[in-house]
Amino acid sequence: GAGVSQSPSNKVTEKGKDVELRCDPISGHTALYWYRQSLGQGLEFLIYFQGNSAPDKSGLPSDRFSAERTGGSVSTLTIQRTQQEDSAVYLCASSRGSGGAGEQFFGPGTRLTVL
Amino acid sequence: AQTVTQSQPEMSVQEAETVTLSCTYDTSESDYYLFWYKQPPSRQMILVIRQEAYKQQNATENRFSVNFQKAAKSFSLKISDSQLGDAAMYFCAYKGDNYGQNFVFGPGTRLSVLP
Repeated sequence: GAGVSQSPSNKVTEKGKDVELRCDPISGHTALYWYRQSLGQGLEFLIYFQGNSAPDKSGLPSDRFSAERTGGSVSTLTIQRTQQEDSAVYLCASSRGSGGAGEQFFGPGTRLTVL
Repeated sequence: AQTVTQSQPEMSVQEAETVTLSCTYDTSESDYYLFWYKQPPSRQMILVIRQEAYKQQNATENRFSVNFQKAAKSFSLKISDSQLGDAAMYFCAYKGDNYGQNFVFGPGTRLSVLP
């Protein structure tokens, strides 16, 4: 089957605008993760969805960031009133979500540029 | 909380030579999983190798192998016969065995392969 897909692949926006980034996980994967990666840096955890449980939002950097996952599948990460420091690659990953060695499968990322 | 440390921000290796990337982690759990991910310039994260903590035998995948030292909480990656295509960021990751546990990533090591 298809891997994790993300759209758009690139997004350029003006400071102060809202943006929505989309992630389509692998079918049947119950766990979904969002990360932010600044140029040449590591992964910054943002939010984690696991089945019907309340999401782990501990990584969201401010209340301008929010995410939802509809029907346990597609997820949307929304950034309101974007700032230049929000410029980064946003990576989505999914996994089987059960206990055990269910590794993460990553999407290609969305590169966000805030002018 | 678990932590993952990669003490080498950058490494380089001559083509066809062998290189070892270090990873240490901190956990109080006895059952867990460890992963090495590769992120080439294309930014697509790819699983390189994984290790179950309950297995004493070190995992091997072609030219990639690990040295897993559970007591020392060390999980190094050895790349043999390095190729130009191995140039990438390498991330070490930890995941506990319990349902719903999140992944913890290290800061990454940038590997350059010299022709």
